[in-house]
Amino acid sequence: GAVVSQHPSWVICKSGTSVKIECRSLDFQATTMFWYRQFPKQSLMLMATSNEGSKATYEQGVEKDKFLINHASLTLSTLTVTSAHPEDSSFYICSAILIRNEQFFGPGTRLTVL
Amino acid sequence: GENVEQHPSTLSVQEGDSAVIKCTYSDSASNYFPWYKQELGKRPQLIIDIRSNVGEKKDQRIAVTLNKTAKHFSLHITETQPEDSAVYFCAAFSGTYKYIFGTGTRLKVLA
Repeated sequence: GAVVSQHPSWVICKSGTSVKIECRSLDFQATTMFWYRQFPKQSLMLMATSNEGSKATYEQGVEKDKFLINHASLTLSTLTVTSAHPEDSSFYICSAILIRNEQFFGPGTRLTVL
Repeated sequence: GENVEQHPSTLSVQEGDSAVIKCTYSDSASNYFPWYKQELGKRPQLIIDIRSNVGEKKDQRIAVTLNKTAKHFSLHITETQPEDSAVYFCAAFSGTYKYIFGTGTRLKVLA
């Protein structure tokens, strides 16, 4: 089956620093990847749609200058949380779309901002 | 806007009983409806899905039904087991090429 990896699996950083999260499709090419954020005991909230070779599409209320997305190749999308603050602490999950719109998730990255 | 409502938010059943979770979507252009099971701290796992040209689909103890007219779809788990305890999410793949998730149902199967 399709495999999506995500790195790092967890990260702790100081307030004001930036953190980069990588999402890779290991055995298929993904023109579209999604980035979600999930707070404790809540659902997955779509942050942005990452399209290879073009600018990401952000959901309403998500600051594009704070959450930088780069999808430079068909197997890699990155999310950079800039100037992180404690309220950015969350579980970030990426996914990639395969044929027939089936979605495959990465294992997630738990971000803790001190 | 696009949204998916999911009920109930919590559900407790005795082992061996059935569990039913219901979702309603708003975007009539939605054409793909997956159900995910998520355990604490882990990624969602696809357990069953249904497309808009099908009314029902079954896979062993799990079944999903879809009523396009009413924009309802439901997950049915029969003969529940303690390992079915988890959070379940429905989702709809919308006409704007993205997934809209339900709010989740925390299922607890009591042994």
